[in-house]
Amino acid sequence: DAKTTQPTSMDCAEGRAANLPCNHSTISGNEYVYWYRQIHSQGPQYIIHGLKNNETNEMASLIITEDRKSSTLILPHATLRDTAVYYCIVGRGNQGGKLIFGQGTELSVKP
Amino acid sequence: GAGVSQSPSNKVTEKGKDVELRCDPISGHTALYWYRQSLGQGLEFLIYFQGNSAPDKSGLPSDRFSAERTGGSVSTLTIQRTQQEDSAVYLCASSFQSGTATDTQYFGPGTRLTVL
Repeated sequence: DAKTTQPTSMDCAEGRAANLPCNHSTISGNEYVYWYRQIHSQGPQYIIHGLKNNETNEMASLIITEDRKSSTLILPHATLRDTAVYYCIVGRGNQGGKLIFGQGTELSVKP
Repeated sequence: GAGVSQSPSNKVTEKGKDVELRCDPISGHTALYWYRQSLGQGLEFLIYFQGNSAPDKSGLPSDRFSAERTGGSVSTLTIQRTQQEDSAVYLCASSFQSGTATDTQYFGPGTRLTVL
């Protein structure tokens, strides 16, 4: 079973920030939080990952709470091309391994 | 090419036939994964190869499913005696298993399998 809980769907206005929440209350100390997204009819795409510190890259920011039981993915200026299903996944980082995908959040960016 | 490639992109077969799906990982990536995604469902892990280690087959749904990875590169997923419930998109991913840092998985475009 997936170790994360995400809202089924969200809407966001184009140009605004999209904030996607994820609960992972059973995360263990050596598990990372990963975010992937899947645009319709494509394979999943890596976005960002983190352990306990907040992270930022060219695609997004990841905010992890101090207790690590939840996190938020932030797309600072959403575009129509960001419409996709966003998956929050927890897993062990230094040994790779399978990703356990949940149902994800379907983000619709609207003009 | 620079990314993970899969072939064929689409496969239609009749119930009871065997099918082979191919994955070419990114050059230099030592880890290779197979997942499947049924219509309207999330991704389901099938099997994982890492270097010369024994593969993790824990996600294979039945003994009709098998996979090989020859020469540490190309992988073939074989489904024998296909059933209609095998219809799905089969996705392959690879990663550079550094052992010290997190390993981003890079996914291919998938093979859409339809069993009539």
